Amino acid sequence: NAGVMQNPRHLVRRRGQEARLRCSPMKGHSHVYWYRQLPEEGLKFMVYLQKENIIDESGMPKERFSAEFPKEGPSILRIQQVVRGDSAAYFCASSPTGALQETQYFGPGTRLLVL
Amino acid sequence: AQSVTQPDIHITVSEGASLELRCNYSYGATPYLFWYVQSPGQGLQLLLKYFSGDTLVQGIKGFEAEFKRSQSSFNLRKPSVHWSDAAEYFCAVGAQGTDKLIFGTGTRLQVFP
Repeated sequence: NAGVMQNPRHLVRRRGQEARLRCSPMKGHSHVYWYRQLPEEGLKFMVYLQKENIIDESGMPKERFSAEFPKEGPSILRIQQVVRGDSAAYFCASSPTGALQETQYFGPGTRLLVL
Repeated sequence: AQSVTQPDIHITVSEGASLELRCNYSYGATPYLFWYVQSPGQGLQLLLKYFSGDTLVQGIKGFEAEFKRSQSSFNLRKPSVHWSDAAEYFCAVGAQGTDKLIFGTGTRLQVFP
């Protein structure tokens, strides 16, 4: 059973470009969470999705950021018109039911560098 | 609002020594508490979690943690540290009825031979 997969592992973008980060949850998991880790900081919750639904986006910046988890395919975190402050590690986690008692399994992360 | 404090940013221990990493949380009711470990360039791996019951929780890799309600703490311990334990350790709290984890800022553990 493969773990949570994220790609790309490293992404370099120039200011103003778009970044697309992909996350494939563990098999059988239909709940996906995105977290952002800024340098020297802990992880900060961004968004929680189920298939085709955004459940909680309270941690998402109001502009330029969007997330989706379609019926088929991976979850996508999209950052439009990236700025240097978007440079961070973005982690995806998945769980089978979304209950907090269920372990959230984390992927290896995508490290975004904005030049 | 829930919050997690990890007072120690960086800890250095000798291999074979005992370890205690501190974690304090702020939450009105009984929280769900977690410890994760992150090796360099990797994602997070769950070490252990506490929801209810026995306040001393055993985890993987020889780690344990004790929930102390009176001190709002959930400190992580290991009796004898191995060089492979060098990593960043994150404490996290979740609340019933919510769907997200709140993470502390992490403690970086360095192990000397």
